[in-house]
Amino acid sequence: GQSLEQPSEVTAVEGAIVQINCTYQTSGFYGLSWYQQHDGGAPTFLSYNALDGLEETGRFSSFLSRSDSYGYLLLQELQMKDSASYFCAYTRASGGSYIPTFGRGTSLIVHP
Amino acid sequence: EAGVAQSPRYKIIEKRQSVAFWCNPISGHATLYWYQQILGQGPKLLIQFQNNGVVDDSQLPKDRFSAERLKGVDSTLKIQPAKLEDSAVYLCASSLDRQGWQPQHFGDGTRLSIL
Repeated sequence: GQSLEQPSEVTAVEGAIVQINCTYQTSGFYGLSWYQQHDGGAPTFLSYNALDGLEETGRFSSFLSRSDSYGYLLLQELQMKDSASYFCAYTRASGGSYIPTFGRGTSLIVHP
Repeated sequence: EAGVAQSPRYKIIEKRQSVAFWCNPISGHATLYWYQQILGQGPKLLIQFQNNGVVDDSQLPKDRFSAERLKGVDSTLKIQPAKLEDSAVYLCASSLDRQGWQPQHFGDGTRLSIL
């Protein structure tokens, strides 16, 4: 079957580091993406992993282990503006197309 | 570069009425997605087009939802008749996808309320 699990909520203080985990199960796995969505806003792309390892983009990093069907998003030097929902999404490759499935999202609350 | 355009931003209708949403993707983007996002949940893929062909519509309630992407550019999503459980934000996204995977760019969505 297909599934995608991530914590519903994570809290942290400004300046700290937080990790949001994501586990998935699907056939035809191609890659794992992360999107950020502020309340009332549109999701915006943060990071993507197709291969095992760490991808770094500024304060955000994402990690993937294909053998463990596991990934995480790491946010460093947290700022108040990072309070948002974070979605992991896996992509299945099918007939030359890439079909996404989003998780339920993790609400990150950053305290001063 | 102009982003993904959606209209209307808000729509309030009564149950059993019909409604239509419009999306214009980023110019040159081959793939267009329609999502339903219920409050507190992640976006649920309803239908995915590549150019003007359907890639996946496995989660589209076909008895009441329909979508088309004529000429492989803009797209419309229709609900007829609407039910209370259709209250959600309907997001449109597009991606380039001409040479391998590309990230999705989302529009601001249409917030639909069913009375």
